[in-house]
Amino acid sequence: DVKVTQSSRYLVKRTGEKVFLECVQDMDHENMFWYRQDPGLGLRLIYFSYDVKMKEKGDIPEGYSVSREKKERFSLILESASTNQTSMYLCASTAGTVETQYFGPGTRLLVL
Amino acid sequence: QKEVEQNSGPLSVPEGAIASLNCTYSDRVSQSFFWYRQYSGKSPELIMSIYSNGDKEDGRFTAQLNKASQYVSLLIRDSQPSDSATYLCAVNLPGTYKYIFGTGTRLKVLA
Repeated sequence: DVKVTQSSRYLVKRTGEKVFLECVQDMDHENMFWYRQDPGLGLRLIYFSYDVKMKEKGDIPEGYSVSREKKERFSLILESASTNQTSMYLCASTAGTVETQYFGPGTRLLVL
Repeated sequence: QKEVEQNSGPLSVPEGAIASLNCTYSDRVSQSFFWYRQYSGKSPELIMSIYSNGDKEDGRFTAQLNKASQYVSLLIRDSQPSDSATYLCAVNLPGTYKYIFGTGTRLKVLA
């Protein structure tokens, strides 16, 4: 059974704080993704990684960075949190390029 | 901009009826399509994937793909209240690792 876990289910941070969201998958998947999900806007891709230390920008990378030092772990970093980054953050992984995406439980982030 | 369009709903159907969910996509060369179910406050989980024209059945679920018309649909037979959720359509962009998601259709199955 594929398992994708995220470090926190709920987070409350202050504007300007540096925020780390961590995602771990246990199926040796090559590809990992970070999305944010907002009402009416659906899932939007922030960044993805197709290998260790490899990353590519998604559709909305501004204000975010990522790190993938180990295959199983993909971190999303909000360099200086802002209120418009309040959202549900979802991590996903896939084994190949056209495979099913497996999602983590999500982190609901509130930036005050 | 590649797009995936879904009617946001809510789509209300009585228990035991067939629910029909539709999705259209703009990239004519797309090859891989996915339906996810998302309960309120939870993350998406895969229901079905489909890659070829025609129907694909899995239990009460049938995915239908028509590449010429650029639409993919999901039929849920014998709908149950537990099927009440938001259904997301996703399309893989050919030659990339990227997936484009629709905004989802909210389904309500009335007991």
